Parts: sequence; structure tokens; C-alpha cells
Amino acid sequence: DAGVIQSPRHEVTEMGQEVTLRCKPISGHDYLFWYRQTMMRGLELLIYFNNNVPIDDSGMPEDRFSAKMPNASFSTLKIQPSEPRDSAVYFCASSFNRQETQYFGPGTRLLVL
Amino acid sequence: AQTVTQSQPEMSVQEAETVTLSCTYDTSESDYYLFWYKQPPSRQMILVIRQEAYKQQNATENRFSVNFQKAAKSFSLKISDSQLGDAAMYFCAYRNYGQNFVFGPGTRLSVLP
Repeated sequence: DAGVIQSPRHEVTEMGQEVTLRCKPISGHDYLFWYRQTMMRGLELLIYFNNNVPIDDSGMPEDRFSAKMPNASFSTLKIQPSEPRDSAVYFCASSFNRQETQYFGPGTRLLVL
Repeated sequence: AQTVTQSQPEMSVQEAETVTLSCTYDTSESDYYLFWYKQPPSRQMILVIRQEAYKQQNATENRFSVNFQKAAKSFSLKISDSQLGDAAMYFCAYRNYGQNFVFGPGTRLSVLP
């Protein structure tokens, strides 16, 4: 299995621009999670989906952040407009129900100038 | 709310020696899972070991083992015969059946040659 795939691996953008991060979970996994990691706040859960349906988005910092999962093999996390404080590494992870282990993608390192 | 505490921000160990990383958590649940994840400089999050709370036997994976003390809410990771490749950030994580996944702040492990 290819594991969780994220793109892009690195993104540099200017403040105010729209940023879209992409994730392909492991085939057969029905849970998908988006995390953000910063030095100050550590690893934070932003949102997670079950069977493509958002279950808990309480970790999404503000309305500038949105996430979608149009099908079982693809999810996006969008930031519009982006701000310098959004600079972080964003991880996508997936898991198979009843197995309870999350498998992480390689992360997207985002820098907003 | 569940919390995970790792009281050692940094640890170091001599190559081939043994090191123990500590983790405590707070929960009112009786059934849950505990994990240790490793994050090397590549930033990839890698599952090291997991423990089901209903199991009394401590989980082991090759050189990695845990000391799970449910009453004390303690979940330490022991790395035997430390290798240079073990140098990384180590995150303790908790997850209950409600899919609420919580990470600790991490412990940075250095392995000295």
C-alpha cells in the first residue's frame, strides 16, 4: 500500500492567498483526520471525517479554514485568505474502523509570508 | 476533557543503552487506546506501539516495550539497545472509542554515539 499521500509537500505563499492542501487516505480506511503541528501548540486535531462526513470540526481555528471530503479517496483542507500565523506542518491521517490506529501522511509544510 | 502529559521535553541516551520515556494521561473512560508515535527529522509520523486499555499485558514491538499502569494512568515507553536511528520526537497519544485523539507535547530523544 502506498500509505497516506499528501500534496504538495511544501507550499510557500503570500498573505491573503488561497491555499489548498490535498490528501489521499489509505484505501479502505473510513476515517480521515487533518492535524496541524506548530512549535508553540504542538499537534492539534483540526477536523475528522467518517465515511466522507465531517464528524467534528471543533478544532478548525476559524472560518478561514474549510475541509471537504467529496469521496472516500480524496480530501482537501483550504485556507482562504491565508495569514502568516497559519504557517505550520499540516498532516492528514487515516484509520480503519475498529483498528483504531492512525496512519499519517508525510505532511505539508506551509509557509505564509 | 482528556489530556496527555509528557514531563520530559528532552532526553538523551547512549547508543546501545536503554531509555524510558514517560507519559501520563487523564481520562474518565475505562476503554481506550494508547499509542507512541515517532517523528524523525523527516517529519513523518510513524506508529511505534499501541496498547488497548482492556489488556493487562504490556505491548512489545522488538526493542520497544511499554509499561502500562492503568490505575496510575501511566504509559511509559522503553527503548532497549538504542540505535542512532531512534533519535526523534516521540509523542504519546490517547484515543477513546469516540475517536477523540489527543497527543502529548512530545519528548525529543537524542542518541549519543
